Amino acid sequence: QQPVQSPQAVILREGEDAVINCSSSKALYSVHWYRQKHGEAPVFLMILLKGGEQKGHDKISASFNEKKQQSSLYLTASQLSYSGTYFCGTENNAGNMLTFGGGTRLMVKP
Amino acid sequence: GAVVSQHPSRVICKSGTSVKIECRSLDFQATTMFWYRQFPKQSLMLMATSNEGSKATYEQGVEKDKFLINHASLTLSTLTVTSAHPEDSSFYICSARWDRGRYNEQFFGPGTRLTVL
Repeated sequence: QQPVQSPQAVILREGEDAVINCSSSKALYSVHWYRQKHGEAPVFLMILLKGGEQKGHDKISASFNEKKQQSSLYLTASQLSYSGTYFCGTENNAGNMLTFGGGTRLMVKP
Repeated sequence: GAVVSQHPSRVICKSGTSVKIECRSLDFQATTMFWYRQFPKQSLMLMATSNEGSKATYEQGVEKDKFLINHASLTLSTLTVTSAHPEDSSFYICSARWDRGRYNEQFFGPGTRLTVL
């Protein structure tokens, strides 16, 4: 079953923060985050494994709460280059294929 | 991250012709690759899972005789759209799974935009 992402779309001014959520109705083994720019393929951002870990690089970080079966992606001090559609991909068991959420369209304006 | 190439990036063909799309993992071996289809402003729709040395697994509703998949080696999978029709026009994306042991990472190719006239 497809994970649910929220919000579906968000518009930010440069420098503002945003949070994108990904929720699943099933237990999760891992959550993968991707960003896709228009006309291009998704680019891998990071993977989080069960155990409640957090990860981040630059000003983009994520958390994974396996009890709540959800993950959040945090974009801090957003830049114009952050614009795109963000997808979470969830894995229910190790080695399973990813199931992708519907995506969150993020637009950062000057 | 790892690099996955996809060729061609764009193809325009006449109705009734077949089109072959190649997906290669350039710096890692991928026993499993995936083929997706994406419509404008929509999520990724998994078409099939391609396993090296065995038959592909197709998702429900995907015609295996129309979308032929061959995973010839640990770095190459091909998708052939046979007798293409205008409704097959779409953005096709492959991804390759890198088995890291405790977890897997999945990397996408740049995609192929298919237009059938």
